[in-house]
Amino acid sequence: AQSVTQLDSHVSVSEGTPVLLRCNYSSSYSPSLFWYVQHPNKGLQLLLKYTSAATLVKGINGFEAEFKKSETSFHLTKPSAHMSDAAEYFCVVIDTGYSSASKIIFGSGTRLSIRP
Amino acid sequence: NAGVTQTPKFQVLKTGQSMTLQCAQDMNHNSMYWYRQDPGMGLRLIYYSASEGTTDKGEVPNGYNVSRLNKREFSLRLESAAPSQTSVYFCASSPRVREGHQPQHFGDGTRLSIL
Repeated sequence: AQSVTQLDSHVSVSEGTPVLLRCNYSSSYSPSLFWYVQHPNKGLQLLLKYTSAATLVKGINGFEAEFKKSETSFHLTKPSAHMSDAAEYFCVVIDTGYSSASKIIFGSGTRLSIRP
Repeated sequence: NAGVTQTPKFQVLKTGQSMTLQCAQDMNHNSMYWYRQDPGMGLRLIYYSASEGTTDKGEVPNGYNVSRLNKREFSLRLESAAPSQTSVYFCASSPRVREGHQPQHFGDGTRLSIL
């Protein structure tokens, strides 16, 4: 069965330190994986996507994620946190073999807080 | 470039009232979606429309109906609102649902409270 687990509901880091948001998935097929960011009272914005090309994916605002098939993980990282990174982050998996949108699965989200 | 536009942004209803949430996209996308977002539960798919003229149930369709009015517009209707439907509702679109590589574009949401 397809699923997404975001391992931390809340992560707090100091400004200028690295960010790690963890995501594990399970999928019956070759998945497409996405990270979205949601700022308060806003919709979700695409950060980056993995679609079976390079396993290290670079996104906007300095974020990147590495697809590790052996670990079924797709963790989001950033070398140096900025105050503007404070937001909710969602990991999403889509089975590329799917035939209906019910196979789009969102993680429960990780709230990232940045300390001055 | 508006992207995905949702109206209204906020709404308060009484139990039993009905209302329609509107969504329009200007990106010529084939597929459109309605989600609800509740604390600690991520987004859950209510209904989607793979293309103009088709609609299908998602994970949590009970209590809702949808209409794909044309390629641009996809509305969500609550016929008899219940407090359990208090949530933030998001509309999204993508080029085509059956191409798994396609990310979705989201509106800013409708915050709905049912008293």
